[in-house]
Amino acid sequence: QSALTQPASVSGSPGQSITISCTGTSSDVGGYNYVSWYQQHPGKAPKLMIYEVSNRPSGVPDRFSGSKSGNTASLTISGLQAEDEADYYCSSYTSSSTLLFGGGTKLTVL
Amino acid sequence: EVQLVESGGGLVQPGRSLRLSCAASGFTFDDYAMHWVRQAPGKGLEWVSGISWNSGSIGYADSVKGRFTISRDNAKNSLYLQMNSLRAEDTALYYCAKDRAGGTFEGFSFDYWGQGTLVTVSS
Repeated sequence: QSALTQPASVSGSPGQSITISCTGTSSDVGGYNYVSWYQQHPGKAPKLMIYEVSNRPSGVPDRFSGSKSGNTASLTISGLQAEDEADYYCSSYTSSSTLLFGGGTKLTVL
Repeated sequence: EVQLVESGGGLVQPGRSLRLSCAASGFTFDDYAMHWVRQAPGKGLEWVSGISWNSGSIGYADSVKGRFTISRDNAKNSLYLQMNSLRAEDTALYYCAKDRAGGTFEGFSFDYWGQGTLVTVSS
């Protein structure tokens, strides 16, 4: 199976909002509410930011939110901060009982 | 404090085997499914394999099916990945990850990750 489709890069200024999309198919993103988002800083392990489309783990700021429409999921970061600069990956459970990740999006805070 | 510590990586020739281990602590290991996720140098994340709490459900990515075997020893709080017939494209940092939801094989969101162990496949 091919990776989920994410934009290679997005950017925004401090205080602004950005949205990262994650497009799959009806066999993954569109078929299940099991979309997650991870943040990864250089040289570090990924960190879970959103699970089951729109749920935030304890300790994740409410500036991070997730949503889904059809076969596309989205991560929105509002009130952008310098420390948000990182790579972001979406993932989705699939009809084959496997997991697909997106190709990753590099967020630059200008 | 949850800790996941991977070991067993290294340089290996194509076609050879390697066994990775992940030592878990800080949580009730046999309450959770566990997974292996890899990241090739400069590339994105790729799910490799997962195993339910009692080893009753196991899954593999197509890229490793038939070559890799995941297992766990709940008495030792340990997760393993036996990698056979290694290829250059298996070169990656291999992460051990804890399933957030529980012991069953569903959902696949990972709330804790180790720091990874590097596997390099080269002659």
